[in-house]
Amino acid sequence: KQEVTQIPAALSVPEGENLVLNCSFTDSAIYNLQWFRQDPGKGLTSLLLIQSSQREQTSGRLNASLDKSSGRSTLYIAASQPGDSATYLCAIQGGSEKLVFGKGTKLTVNP
Amino acid sequence: KAGVTQTPRYLIKTRGQQVTLSCSPISGHRSVSWYQQTPGQGLQFLFEYFSETQRNKGNFPGRFSGRQFSNSRSEMNVSTLELGDSALYLCASSLFGTDTQYFGPGTRLTVL
Repeated sequence: KQEVTQIPAALSVPEGENLVLNCSFTDSAIYNLQWFRQDPGKGLTSLLLIQSSQREQTSGRLNASLDKSSGRSTLYIAASQPGDSATYLCAIQGGSEKLVFGKGTKLTVNP
Repeated sequence: KAGVTQTPRYLIKTRGQQVTLSCSPISGHRSVSWYQQTPGQGLQFLFEYFSETQRNKGNFPGRFSGRQFSNSRSEMNVSTLELGDSALYLCASSLFGTDTQYFGPGTRLTVL
């Protein structure tokens, strides 16, 4: 059974700082890994999808990496802004097409 | 292109009632998945439909059911509501099910 862990559960940083969010998973047999952000009371916004054959994906100030052998992914956010404040969720998609989510990291970027 | 829409956005029901939630996927998407989000359990998979067929089902009781129509719109139904069913119900659509999932804004269900 796939389990996804995100550490830390919460993170507070000053504006402008570069930061890394971590995600680990127990089963390396995956189709892909997706990073989402969720604003309070809202749905999920897809940020990046990494296929199992890929090592990383980049979108603007975001860079996500995937290391299947160690069961780890990181989401790097460069030059953080207050608008980046949200909960970031990592999700693994395996053979059953369903997404298995971590509990998320709540990020606060202070002006 | 319009995003995933879910109706209603908010619902208040009492124990024992039943409820139907609706999800309209992005045009052209054939896969629709449903998730329940609670503070304690996080996001949990309910079921996934592709071309009107249920492909996968999560570990939820039979009170939770769903269906998908020929236009890919999907509904989920919860019968005999319990207090623990209070949650944000999220719907996601994608082209094939194994590509980027696009989520709707969710339906906030409160059971009193």
